[in-house]
Amino acid sequence: AQSVTQPDIHITVSEGASLELRCNYSYGATPYLFWYVQSPGQGLQLLLKYFSGDTLVQGIKGFEAEFKRSQSSFNLRKPSVHWSDAAEYFCAVGLSTTSGTYKYIFGTGTRLKVLA
Amino acid sequence: ETGVTQTPRHLVMGMTNKKSLKCEQHLGHNAMYWYKQSAKKPLELMFVYNFKEQTENNSVPSRFSPECPNSSHLFLHLHTLQPEDSALYLCASSQWGIRDTQYFGPGTRLTVL
Repeated sequence: AQSVTQPDIHITVSEGASLELRCNYSYGATPYLFWYVQSPGQGLQLLLKYFSGDTLVQGIKGFEAEFKRSQSSFNLRKPSVHWSDAAEYFCAVGLSTTSGTYKYIFGTGTRLKVLA
Repeated sequence: ETGVTQTPRHLVMGMTNKKSLKCEQHLGHNAMYWYKQSAKKPLELMFVYNFKEQTENNSVPSRFSPECPNSSHLFLHLHTLQPEDSALYLCASSQWGIRDTQYFGPGTRLTVL
């Protein structure tokens, strides 16, 4: 069955430090891959997405992610974290269904805490 | 109003009540979605609508009944819920297509007593 794994439930980093959030997926074909961020009391906001082509994807707020087919991974990175990045981050996979539509499978999320 | 709005933001209901959640999108999209977000569980896609037609129902219990009267409005009718249905219910909209960005509302925090 298709699944998305975010192995880190919580991550704490100091402001200005680099960040990497891990995401692994289980799917037979190359999926459509997404990273979302959710701040407290708000809905999810798309950070970036990958469909094909260059495996290093740039997103908003200085985030980037790298697709590695051999590792079934799509890790999110930021070179220097700001206090405003404290939020919960979700990795998701988009899949076509046999009925001709599509669906999304989300990971359980990683909560990021930023120390001043 | 811009983006995706949801009302109410908070709802407390008894197991025998009937209530409805409302979602409205002001983005001109033609697809709308209901998600359930429970603590420590992955976000669960409940229903998908494309041009007002329901295209996905991911084994959601019948006590949840969606309604999409037009491409701008989406409702989730609730009746005889269980305490385990307490969660954050998120609405999203997009242009129809797996590559198109979903825009999420802030959610309705539902508590079932």
